[in-house]
Amino acid sequence: QVLLVQSGAEEKKPGSSVKVSCKAYGGTFSTYAISWVRQAPGQGLEWMGGMVPIFGTAHYAQKFQGRVTITADESTTTTYMEMSSLRSEDTAVYSCATGGGTGFHPYFDYWGQGILVTVSS
Amino acid sequence: EIVLTQSPGTLSLSPGERATLSCRASQTVSGSYLGWYQQKPGQAPRLLIYGVFNRVTGIPDRFIGSGSGTDFTLTISRVEPDDFAVYFCQHYGSSPPEYTFGQGSKLEIK
Repeated sequence: QVLLVQSGAEEKKPGSSVKVSCKAYGGTFSTYAISWVRQAPGQGLEWMGGMVPIFGTAHYAQKFQGRVTITADESTTTTYMEMSSLRSEDTAVYSCATGGGTGFHPYFDYWGQGILVTVSS
Repeated sequence: EIVLTQSPGTLSLSPGERATLSCRASQTVSGSYLGWYQQKPGQAPRLLIYGVFNRVTGIPDRFIGSGSGTDFTLTISRVEPDDFAVYFCQHYGSSPPEYTFGQGSKLEIK
């Protein structure tokens, strides 16, 4: 059983960056992948990327390559997602998710509560 | 990159009716990595079905996943009031890791 607790809502200006966090409780943090999924208002789900902390290398969806950085701090069992060059279209709820287990699980059994990031001038 | 297309966009039914939701993949789904999620307003998605047809523990047997190749279906045999929500299909590709979601189908009360 894994519990994911995310940081609070953010309001950002276009062109700026945002860094949000996801703290995991339960399981062996280092060995399971944490992914980030976003959902724009009224829209579908979009996988952004994820990483297994013990491997230290993140994998990204092509759309977000170069603009998103996912990192993990094993000492605090926290995963971070940083997005740069924000634009209004990035306004969305950003959620961390995992299937637990080991490595990248094919499905997401556990989700954080979601963080609303609003990009507006 | 695999693309998942769901239909219909919205399905209006009365409780007790049968719901059939479709998910079509742009190429053959490898490893049977096809799942279905239910999402209600303000909530995180909930995994219902994995591996095309396997129900997650605790999911009622009125939820039935089926399909193969590029065509997959989530059937709700008799819709209950709690089932009105948005449903997403999802595919996992392992090399490299990649997740793709369909755009969603909304099941609404008629």
